[in-house]
Amino acid sequence: QKEVEQNSGPLSVPEGAIASLNCTYSDRGSQSFFWYRQYSGKSPELIMSIYSNGDKEDGRFTAQLNKASQYVSLLIRDSQPSDSATYLCAVRGITGGGNKLTFGTGTQLKVEL
Amino acid sequence: ETGVTQTPRHLVMGMTNKKSLKCEQHLGHNAMYWYKQSAKKPLELMFVYSLEERVENNSVPSRFSPECPNSSHLFLHLHTLQPEDSALYLCASSDPYNEQFFGPGTRLTVL
Repeated sequence: QKEVEQNSGPLSVPEGAIASLNCTYSDRGSQSFFWYRQYSGKSPELIMSIYSNGDKEDGRFTAQLNKASQYVSLLIRDSQPSDSATYLCAVRGITGGGNKLTFGTGTQLKVEL
Repeated sequence: ETGVTQTPRHLVMGMTNKKSLKCEQHLGHNAMYWYKQSAKKPLELMFVYSLEERVENNSVPSRFSPECPNSSHLFLHLHTLQPEDSALYLCASSDPYNEQFFGPGTRLTVL
């Protein structure tokens, strides 16, 4: 079983729609959860972090965490073509002195005009 | 300069060459990381330095040798690499237990 699982996509949504990206993780002791956006040929850029159950909103982005279900998601409202990228889910567990992030393989999002 | 910088941005080397990748962070963080990103694979953590001490070595072959002379600088020394080592090498920094911020990466090609 992969430690952090994401659907590789591509996930295609029309411009203006809500994009929903999902991630599951295997380590029940995981403490912190992050979403990174990576454009083709570029490095990952942090867009959201979430530490406790529930929703966290930042502009058009909402991260949702359910530790009981070991599930974290990212919603992007009013999707724009510029949101087209690969979205990486990262989870920090309790190993590695608390510094180790485990990444999923990413979900490719395509926002179509 | 701000954030995390990496040099060179692109590197082509032969299997017998020795080269080094450099990373510098201007964020005042005290933890630095090397990651490898290959196509269709998740980011692989290679090394972690916290307060200039190596705290994680993720079973990386000895042909990769990290060096952290101070909390702002991180190097990855490369020698006798294999073609399968061709990848994007990413440096990141953070404060312990906080978000990691990535540099632009070095695209490495081993011939």
